[in-house]
Amino acid sequence: SQTIHQWPATLVQPVGSPLSLECTVEGTSNPNLYWYRQAAGRGLQLLFYSVGIGQISSEVPQNLSASRPQDRQFILSSKKLLLSDSGFYLCAWSVDSNYEQYFGPGTRLTVT
Amino acid sequence: EDKVVQSPLSLVVHEGDTVTLNCSYEVTNFRSLLWYKQEKKAPTFLFMLTSSGIEKKSGRLSSILDKKELFSILNITATQTGDSAVYLCAVRRSGNTGKLIFGQGTTLQVKP
Repeated sequence: SQTIHQWPATLVQPVGSPLSLECTVEGTSNPNLYWYRQAAGRGLQLLFYSVGIGQISSEVPQNLSASRPQDRQFILSSKKLLLSDSGFYLCAWSVDSNYEQYFGPGTRLTVT
Repeated sequence: EDKVVQSPLSLVVHEGDTVTLNCSYEVTNFRSLLWYKQEKKAPTFLFMLTSSGIEKKSGRLSSILDKKELFSILNITATQTGDSAVYLCAVRRSGNTGKLIFGQGTTLQVKP
């Protein structure tokens, strides 16, 4: 069966510090991968998606970036965090674009 | 602009009650609508609907889509305290990305 992992689970970082969040998927090959952010009391906003290694599409302009160095690994990064980057970051995968997405456990990021 | 609106935003019921959650959408090139349940962390997949009028059912939960009126409902019968969660509706457009557009969610609290 497929599983999706994210780490760390929680993170507190000062403004201006770098960020690296990691997501890995097991039990499937060539999945579509997604990064979402959920602000408190709000729905999920898609940040990035990837349909293959090295293929990244950005949905919103921001100081975050994403990379997919391996088939089942998706990384969210920032060089300098802003207060507004605080939120709950969720990684998701799907078999392809027509199927449901399955979410990882998430990372709660607080920028102080 | 694509839009997904859920109502009510929050709801408090007692165990045994039946609830109906609503999701309306304005999306170009609609392909499918998905429902998720989010308790504390990752949203868990409930249903994916692509055709009008065909009810999907899982235990006490059921959902139906109306593509003419552009909405879906999620019904929960005989509610239990374990049904307390945020219920998220998301819509997918046609295309090869699988991108989901989420509503803001309905927070359901079931009191004993």
